[in-house]
Amino acid sequence: DSGVTQTPKHLITATGQRVTLRCSPRSGDLSVYWYQQSLDQGLQFLIQYYNGEERAKGNILERFSAQQFPDLHSELNLSSLELGDSALYFCASSGGGTYNEQFFGPGTRLTVL
Amino acid sequence: DQQVKQNSPSLSVQEGRISILNCDYTNSMFDYFLWYKKYPAEGPTFLISISSIKDKNEDGRFTVFLNKSAKHLSLHIVPSQPGDSAVYFCAAKNTNAGKSTFGDGTTLTVKP
Repeated sequence: DSGVTQTPKHLITATGQRVTLRCSPRSGDLSVYWYQQSLDQGLQFLIQYYNGEERAKGNILERFSAQQFPDLHSELNLSSLELGDSALYFCASSGGGTYNEQFFGPGTRLTVL
Repeated sequence: DQQVKQNSPSLSVQEGRISILNCDYTNSMFDYFLWYKKYPAEGPTFLISISSIKDKNEDGRFTVFLNKSAKHLSLHIVPSQPGDSAVYFCAAKNTNAGKSTFGDGTTLTVKP
């Protein structure tokens, strides 16, 4: 158990809809990262938050947005969903150190029909 | 432009033999490298890392080698065990930028 929790575990929805994925980082971790993994491909970095502020941005679509709340949990919002958004979405957290590894949650599997 | 590449999508080895997983990177600003292991239906878990000031780091059966001039790193697993069967991701980081860039992963199968 990495200490990172993600809900829901599975999500099935229709094209055009909007969903929210939730992540609670490990206790004490200030950084939260979101990744997308499509069809056994690599982990595509979406966005990082550090202590409530956006720290780095990857190839995140404009239809996607995220935020980190004062209690450090984070939400990833996906809107106007398309079939191609079907993927595993992972959240990871890390401490504030430069050399800290990331601890990943179990992922949310999103299926868009 | 894929900055971290794992050119072998899969690797199969016999139990007890050595597994060598390779990773190439293009960004010379990367100065910290990590390997993660992922089992099906689970998130990746950290395995081992190496800083660019070193060329080798060892942890039990796992050793990571870094060749900065070739922009290449490799993960050696000796001896390989069936429980090592998983997807292995290489990640590289510019410690000034914060985020890690991941490769596409290599699926390792260790046959009993």
